[in-house]
Amino acid sequence: RKEVEQDPGPFNVPEGATVAFNCTYSNSASQSFFWYRQDCRKEPKLLMSVYSSGNEDGRFTAQLNRASQYISLLIRDSKLSDSATYLCVALYGGSQGNLIFGKGTKLSVKP
Amino acid sequence: DAGVTQSPTHLIKTRGQQVTLRCSPISGHKSVSWYQQVLGQGPQFIFQYYEKEERGRGNFPDRFSARQFPNYSSELNVNALLLGDSALYLCASSLAGGASYNEQFFGPGTRLTVL
Repeated sequence: RKEVEQDPGPFNVPEGATVAFNCTYSNSASQSFFWYRQDCRKEPKLLMSVYSSGNEDGRFTAQLNRASQYISLLIRDSKLSDSATYLCVALYGGSQGNLIFGKGTKLSVKP
Repeated sequence: DAGVTQSPTHLIKTRGQQVTLRCSPISGHKSVSWYQQVLGQGPQFIFQYYEKEERGRGNFPDRFSARQFPNYSSELNVNALLLGDSALYLCASSLAGGASYNEQFFGPGTRLTVL
């Protein structure tokens, strides 16, 4: 079983739609979680960290449920520029540990 | 300020050959991590180095090795290349140290093709 699992998609949505990505992780020892964004043929870039209390950054909302080992990302009012692959990431091995990535979920926002 | 740089950007090798990939971290960053990203997958952790010491190793065969230099740059070596080693190799640097997580910043990667 993969340590971080997410629906690979693709998700094809119209501009302005709300889209939700889900992710589960298997190792309860993981301490921190993130969503990264990766554009085609580019490197991954940190989108936002994920906290149990939930956190919001503009149109993006991330949520962590430790009991269910479940992470989510909600994108509201999606833009064409949101088209990318979204990677769910867990940090293992302490604060200076290594990142474990899911396979990524591809999002295409259409006009 | 310059971000993480990697060289070369693209590389074509044949099976059985050896390859060396290079990474220069962001100025002031002391930790470098290497990841392999096969097409259609997320990046997979290979190595982490901090202050020239190996701090972590992923589930990769001994054909993969790395080192970090006094200036914190790093090299990843892969021996006896296989077709399955074809991937984007990403380097990430971070400040490291301390009790809190330090964001890892990724370089543009080296795209390796093994024929």
